[in-house]
Amino acid sequence: GAVVSQHPSWVICKSGTSVKIECRSLDFQATTMFWYRQFPKQSLMLMATSNEGSKATYEQGVEKDKFLINHASLTLSTLTVTSAHPEDSSFYICSARSNQPQHFGDGTRLSIL
Amino acid sequence: AQTVTQSQPEMSVQEAETVTLSCTYDTSESNYYLFWYKQPPSRQMILVIRQEAYKQQNATENRFSVNFQKAAKSFSLKISDSQLGDTAMYFCAFMKGIQGAQKLVFGQGTRLTINP
Repeated sequence: GAVVSQHPSWVICKSGTSVKIECRSLDFQATTMFWYRQFPKQSLMLMATSNEGSKATYEQGVEKDKFLINHASLTLSTLTVTSAHPEDSSFYICSARSNQPQHFGDGTRLSIL
Repeated sequence: AQTVTQSQPEMSVQEAETVTLSCTYDTSESNYYLFWYKQPPSRQMILVIRQEAYKQQNATENRFSVNFQKAAKSFSLKISDSQLGDTAMYFCAFMKGIQGAQKLVFGQGTRLTINP
């Protein structure tokens, strides 16, 4: 089956630093990738949709300057949380799709001290 | 806009019992896809089953089956012979189309606990 690899799985960093999360489709080319945020005991909230080679489309209320998304190739998308603050602490999940159902990465637990 | 509603925040059953999770959705689309995803404590999102709206036959995957009622906009998940490993959050999801940048719309989730 389709595999989506997300790295790192857990990161702790100081307030004010920037953190990059990678999402890779290992055995298929993902024309579209999605980034979600999940708070404890809640559902997944879509942050943005990215298509290879074009700018990401952000959902309402998501700060594009805070959450930078790059989708430079058909197998890699990155989410950079810039100048992270404690309120950015959350579980971030990426998902990738070609002509098939979405497959999800294992998520990244981000903790900002 | 499409919405997905899961009215059962939590459910609990004994091992080997059958359990049904409810899901309703609202859309004006005629062609769409419905999914059930499982999120165990590891937090990995796992596709359990999917249903194409144009298919009348209910999808089945081993112990998992759905009851798709298109007119009622209902899409329930039945888990037969439940196992301890079925303990997880279950999310119902809707998508307008499989092509392009169509987005998944998730329900609030149902936390299912299988007791020994």
